[in-house]
Amino acid sequence: QATLRESGPALVKPRQTLTLTCTVSGFSLSESGMFVTWIRQPPGKALEWLALIDWDGDTYYSTSLKNRLTISRDTSKDQVVLTMTNVDPVDTATYYCARRFSRWGMDVWGQGTTVAVSS
Amino acid sequence: DIQMTQSPSTLAASVGDTVTITCRASQNILDWLAWYQQKPGKAPKLLISKASDLETGVPSRFSGTGSGTEFTLTISSLQVDDFATYYCQQYSSYQYTFGQGTKLEI
Repeated sequence: QATLRESGPALVKPRQTLTLTCTVSGFSLSESGMFVTWIRQPPGKALEWLALIDWDGDTYYSTSLKNRLTISRDTSKDQVVLTMTNVDPVDTATYYCARRFSRWGMDVWGQGTTVAVSS
Repeated sequence: DIQMTQSPSTLAASVGDTVTITCRASQNILDWLAWYQQKPGKAPKLLISKASDLETGVPSRFSGTGSGTEFTLTISSLQVDDFATYYCQQYSSYQYTFGQGTKLEI
């Protein structure tokens, strides 16, 4: 079955660049209609969508964060990578990657990785 | 960006009740709307896609309706397991957005 697993640092200093990796299995990143997205959730707050990459490698970003985000993929490694530049304590959150396929919503999620931004 | 507004933010109910959560989009999203359930410390779980299509394995007491800008999630005969936070999310545009969530409390 399809699975996603996030990995990355638990602690990042302000103004540094955060790099998160989503390793997928059980499906192909290149299958027509496939999307992988990144979502985050600050402690006690709502979900916030960040970015997505589709089966063709086309990328889309949250308007409010697009200047700081880059999403990319390595199909040979079955990985999707999100980088966020110039992090701030307000970026402290649990970061999730999730799959969306065709007409459906995000049906498979990773377990999330918690990132704290602190000096 | 398309804004999604959920109401209420918090909803108190009892086992056996029927509850409705509303989600409004700032512009027409047709039926490109999903509903998720999230429990503390867990990833969200997809309940409904395309406004009304129940995900496999989700109990039939969950139902979704709506199109355009107004959508509802109804949970009938509430069970203890249903007390959680619920989010709507639009995927009409490639800038996805979530509602702010509705916490369903006992």
